[in-house]
Amino acid sequence: DAGITQSPRHKVTETGTPVTLRCHQTENHRYMYWYRQDPGHGLRLIHYSYGVKDTDKGEVSDGYSVSRSKTEDFLLTLESATSSQTSVYFCAINRQGMNTEAFFGQGTRLTVV
Amino acid sequence: QKEVEQNSGPLSVPEGAIASLNCTYSDRGSQSFFWYRQYSGKSPELIMFIYSNGDKEDGRFTAQLNKASQYVSLLIRDSQPSDSATYLCAVNSGTGNQFYFGTGTSLTVIP
Repeated sequence: DAGITQSPRHKVTETGTPVTLRCHQTENHRYMYWYRQDPGHGLRLIHYSYGVKDTDKGEVSDGYSVSRSKTEDFLLTLESATSSQTSVYFCAINRQGMNTEAFFGQGTRLTVV
Repeated sequence: QKEVEQNSGPLSVPEGAIASLNCTYSDRGSQSFFWYRQYSGKSPELIMFIYSNGDKEDGRFTAQLNKASQYVSLLIRDSQPSDSATYLCAVNSGTGNQFYFGTGTSLTVIP
């Protein structure tokens, strides 16, 4: 167990509403990531963070924002949810940097209706 | 865009056989390479990582890396039904410490 907790685990929301997903880690690691996983597309990076208040965009960042005000928490916000954002969202952490693996949280299944 | 390509399968092998999973990547600057296993409805879990050319063995699993050919593979010996899962290849480019994933190969081991 890499000490990563995602919340909520499941959520159904309506189109046009804002949604925030939370990733919490207990091990003080520098790097945190948000991915979405969809059939046929695999895991795609949305945003990542390399420290408090230090974030950058991934390959599918449109419609998403992130914040990291504390080392342990990385928040993903869907500013105005759309049906195309229905997906499984995974948070991951990286312990030390290059040549070390990413560890994943349990995932959040989000459905936008 | 950095690409990681895998054959999506499905790949079926009989119990006890060798399963061979392949992955290619586009970024020659990639530094480290990972194989994850993902059971349906679960999160990915690491099986092995490799960052030097050649073979790396861990129990029934062997990872192979050929940087000149931009190719990574995973061999599973003595395949078991519990190995039935989707296998994800991942690459760390070094730049920004980002991990890029393939779409995964679905493996079924038939008892």
